[in-house]
Amino acid sequence: GENVEQHPSTLSVQEGDSAVIKCTYSDSASNYFPWYKQELGKRPQLIIDIRSNVGEKKDQRIAVTLNKTAKHFSLHITETQPEDSAVYFCAAISGGYQKVTFGTGTKLQVIP
Amino acid sequence: GAVVSQHPSWVICKSGTSVKIECRSLDFQATTMFWYRQFPKQSLMLMATSNEGSKATYEQGVEKDKFLINHASLTLSTLTVTSAHPEDSSFYICSAWGRQGNSPLHFGNGTRLTVT
Repeated sequence: GENVEQHPSTLSVQEGDSAVIKCTYSDSASNYFPWYKQELGKRPQLIIDIRSNVGEKKDQRIAVTLNKTAKHFSLHITETQPEDSAVYFCAAISGGYQKVTFGTGTKLQVIP
Repeated sequence: GAVVSQHPSWVICKSGTSVKIECRSLDFQATTMFWYRQFPKQSLMLMATSNEGSKATYEQGVEKDKFLINHASLTLSTLTVTSAHPEDSSFYICSAWGRQGNSPLHFGNGTRLTVT
């Protein structure tokens, strides 16, 4: 089955700096890669996603890159703000949207 | 707004009792819903895939007799934790794909279960 590794597990950055979170996956059949932000005790919220036919996608301060050959994808947050502090999960989806595998999560702390 | 509604948001029960958690898709039909369990500071662990009109598919290590899943309609899936024990205390979240195959995966708000 699919295996998704996520690094780092914790990340502290100064406000205004950039943050990068990386995920690798094992199943070459995975074709959809969403990123979720989860605040304590709340549901995960989709912040950006990318499909296997695209190499990069950007939405304001958030961007995601995908390297299919190397089987890794990354989340980039620029100009970080304190409200960006949360746990971020990557996921890999395959099997016609039937199988969702989440990464282990990254706790991001933005220091004012 | 929320497209997947999950109830209750929190529940406290005594050891040995059963608890039912509901997950509803609000404006779309979900033939498949997913149930996750999340321990503090950990990722979402897929427990089972709920299929409308058929038996759920459980992940390895998840007891199907302990965690009963019923997907009786296209908009409702339920998870019943039977004979709950303190170690079942956790955050349970359901999710479902939206209307079309390319739509995002929507999550319920989650249910915080505490077994005393």
